[in-house]
Amino acid sequence: SQQGEEDPQALSIQEGENATMNCSYKTSINNLQWYRQNSGRGLVHLILIRSNEREKHSGRLRVTLDTSKKSSSLLITASRAADTASYFCATAYRMNTGFQKLVFGTGTRLLVSP
Amino acid sequence: SQTIHQWPATLVQPVGSPLSLECTVEGTSNPNLYWYRQAAGRGLQLLFYSVGIGQISSEVPQNLSASRPQDRQFILSSKKLLLSDSGFYLCAWSIRRGGGSYNEQFFGPGTRLTVL
Repeated sequence: SQQGEEDPQALSIQEGENATMNCSYKTSINNLQWYRQNSGRGLVHLILIRSNEREKHSGRLRVTLDTSKKSSSLLITASRAADTASYFCATAYRMNTGFQKLVFGTGTRLLVSP
Repeated sequence: SQTIHQWPATLVQPVGSPLSLECTVEGTSNPNLYWYRQAAGRGLQLLFYSVGIGQISSEVPQNLSASRPQDRQFILSSKKLLLSDSGFYLCAWSIRRGGGSYNEQFFGPGTRLTVL
């Protein structure tokens, strides 16, 4: 399976702390994306990092990519209760047809307590 | 700005009944369109994608089918629902740029389907 795996499956922290989530994948990718999903809602795109990039920042988010280890991490700094959600990594693969598709991991459930 | 709509939001259907879920996108042209299913507590499984009107590709063999009758309309259907079709169905779109999901995808609010 090409599916990525997030680690940990669940994470519980206090407001103000940092949250780190990891993602591992199996084959070569074009890019890796992180998405957020509030309970029972659709996914929201957070950040995209291309295979030739090693680190990217967006506000309180920091994403790293290590293609040699086939892994990525998402760091949320100074977390807030509103950051409570599930976070998914998604890897972009090129199919035989030339079409590139996203394969989603199983997600990390983050709970930030006030 | 672009928006994506899905309906219905929730649906409870008996086994063996037909299904039709609709997704429409506004504010963009020629998007790639996708149908995903999410089982409880799990990641997303790509079911179908479309790069244009009438062009549907299936990712996994299943009891479902998809159609794209218009550029910004994507429909998920079944003639006879199974219990295993229960789940959270998400429609998404992305900008079409030479090769599919090279960019981020934008998701609709989803439809929760329960088959009894």
